[in-house]
Parts: sequence; C-alpha cells; structure tokens
Amino acid sequence: AQTVTQSQPEMSVQEAETVTLSCTYDTSENNYYLFWYKQPPSRQMILVIRQEAYKQQNATENRFSVNFQKAAKSFSLKISDSQLGDTAMYFCAFMKSPGSQGNLIFGKGTKLSVKP
Amino acid sequence: DTEVTQTPKHLVMGMTNKKSLKCEQHMGHRAMYWYKQKAKKPPELMFVYSYEKLSINESVPSRFSPECPNSSLLNLHLHALQPEDSALYLCASSQELAGIYEQYFGPGTRLTVT
Repeated sequence: AQTVTQSQPEMSVQEAETVTLSCTYDTSENNYYLFWYKQPPSRQMILVIRQEAYKQQNATENRFSVNFQKAAKSFSLKISDSQLGDTAMYFCAFMKSPGSQGNLIFGKGTKLSVKP
Repeated sequence: DTEVTQTPKHLVMGMTNKKSLKCEQHMGHRAMYWYKQKAKKPPELMFVYSYEKLSINESVPSRFSPECPNSSLLNLHLHALQPEDSALYLCASSQELAGIYEQYFGPGTRLTVT
C-alpha cells in the first residue's frame, strides 16, 4: 500500500520570502504521479502542481516548484515570493499509474500561514 | 468553465432525517467523486462514478447512498446518520477515470448531524 507523509503540520513564512514544504512517500510502484493541492480557508481545493515520476525534470508553475527525488521518495514544494493568498492547507498526494481508478492518496497536510 | 458546484453549502440534520447533497459539473467530465473531510484532515475517498456507473465504493456505510442521474450530476443521499458523520463533503470530477487527469473539487457541503 502507498503512504504519503507530510512531517510539518504547520509552517509560517513572511510575505515575499521563500518556504519549502516537505513530503515523502512510500510505494513499490514504478509509474506514478505526485501532486500538491492547496485548500485555502473555506475555499475549494485546487491543484498547484503535478509531477510525473518518469520525468527527471522538476515541475514548475510560476512561483511554485518541486524538488522531486525519486530514489529518496521525496517530493517537496517550494513557494517563492510568498503572498498572503498562499495561506492555506497544502496536501501532497500520490496516484499510481495505471490502475489508480482515480484514487488519490493524500498526506495529512501542512497548514501554511503567510504573515505580512 | 472549470467549476464544480455543490448545494447546499451548509446542512444541519437530525439522526432520523433524510437529506441529499447535490453536485454538478458542466465540463464534460465522465468521472465524479465523493470525499469526506474531517477538520484538519485530508479528504477520504467515498465513492467514484465513471460514465454514470459506480466504480468504487470505499466500504462506506449504507446510510450513505450515491446516485449519478446523468453525466453532469452526482447526488449523495443521507439517511439515519450519526453525529460522527459530521464533516465537509467534497465532490470532485475529472475528465476520465482511466489515465491521470486533474481532479476539480467543489467547495463542499458542511454537514452537521445533531
């Protein structure tokens, strides 16, 4: 069975600074996808970034980038130039491929607070 | 339009009531999901529909009954719930079930069982 671990229940960062959220996972699968989802307070969950395990290049989306270390089974999220709107719960998630049947395995989440 | 809508936003019900949660998407997605999320916890998958057929039931008690009347709508019928069923119920959709597609989440229905 796959597991996803987020070891930082809460983090805070000053506006405009950089913060890194950590995620590790355990799987025996060779093909899979990893995701970071953001859930702002009382707002809907949205996908921030995704990484295909077969790709060596780290995914980036504007201020968001990942550090994917397949051998170490590590998938951290870096947020640059933090903004107040980045305040949210961040979930790391795993999906095996093929055969996932849409089943996202979530970590327990990291609550990020961006302070002015 | 990349929106999943859910009604109602909030619901309070007694343990003997029958109520329904509704989810709608107009993105042409053929996979739809129900999740349950307790406070400060990640979402837990309950049901998955693919092409309006139930594909996954994650051992959910029978007091939760899903229904997919058409490709845009997903309902969750509730009956004889327990206080521990109080949670945020999230609906999501994705283009297909086979393959890896982004899941788009709705804002959720916050359910309180008294």
